[in-house]
Amino acid sequence: QVQLVESGGDLVKAGGSLRLSCAASGFTFSDSYMSWIRQAPGKGLEWVSYISGSGSTIYYADSVKGRFTISRDNAKNSLYLQMNSLRAEDTAVYYCARGKSSFDYWGQGILVTVSS
Amino acid sequence: QSALTQPPSASGSPGQSVTISCTGTSSDVGGYNYVSWYQQHPGKAPKRMIYEVSKRPSGVPDRFSGSKSGNTASLTVSGLQAEDEADYYCNSYAGSNNYVVFGGGTKLTVL
Repeated sequence: QVQLVESGGDLVKAGGSLRLSCAASGFTFSDSYMSWIRQAPGKGLEWVSYISGSGSTIYYADSVKGRFTISRDNAKNSLYLQMNSLRAEDTAVYYCARGKSSFDYWGQGILVTVSS
Repeated sequence: QSALTQPPSASGSPGQSVTISCTGTSSDVGGYNYVSWYQQHPGKAPKRMIYEVSKRPSGVPDRFSGSKSGNTASLTVSGLQAEDEADYYCNSYAGSNNYVVFGGGTKLTVL
């Protein structure tokens, strides 16, 4: 069965950096668009970024452009999100999900807390 | 990237039907048949209930249906059950800049 497992969440100070990972299994990872979606405490879902199966196509939400970098390692069936220059408003549960604009499988989410 | 507009809350009694709207623009909901709906219970990851406006994934009860008219998409839950009480989010592809947008979410209460 499909599994997506995020890791790397932590408490970090504003201006700091963090790298999230998402380990995928149960499907052909290299054939799949993958995305990061976040949810601030008590708030709605916000799309962050997506990457194509080959890694050649990447897009970001304006709110993270220039600060976050999505990447993948198909040999390791893993998705990553490098987050730099973190702000308090980046505090959220971060989900990795399969898909580009419609998401059929989601991880359990990982909490990132940015203290100001 | 403006969020899609959903009512903050909706409610219905068991057995009744309820419809949740999701309003966007011609650049997202109205421009593409790539609207999806997700159900999220507290503390859980979202679950896709509808994709491509009206398609239902395997395992989703046929009580859930989706439609679209112009710039507004809708999710209808028929024969409400207690377990349908959850937050519901719509999302759409917004192709002009290859963005993806979500609605603000609707809390569905089963009375």
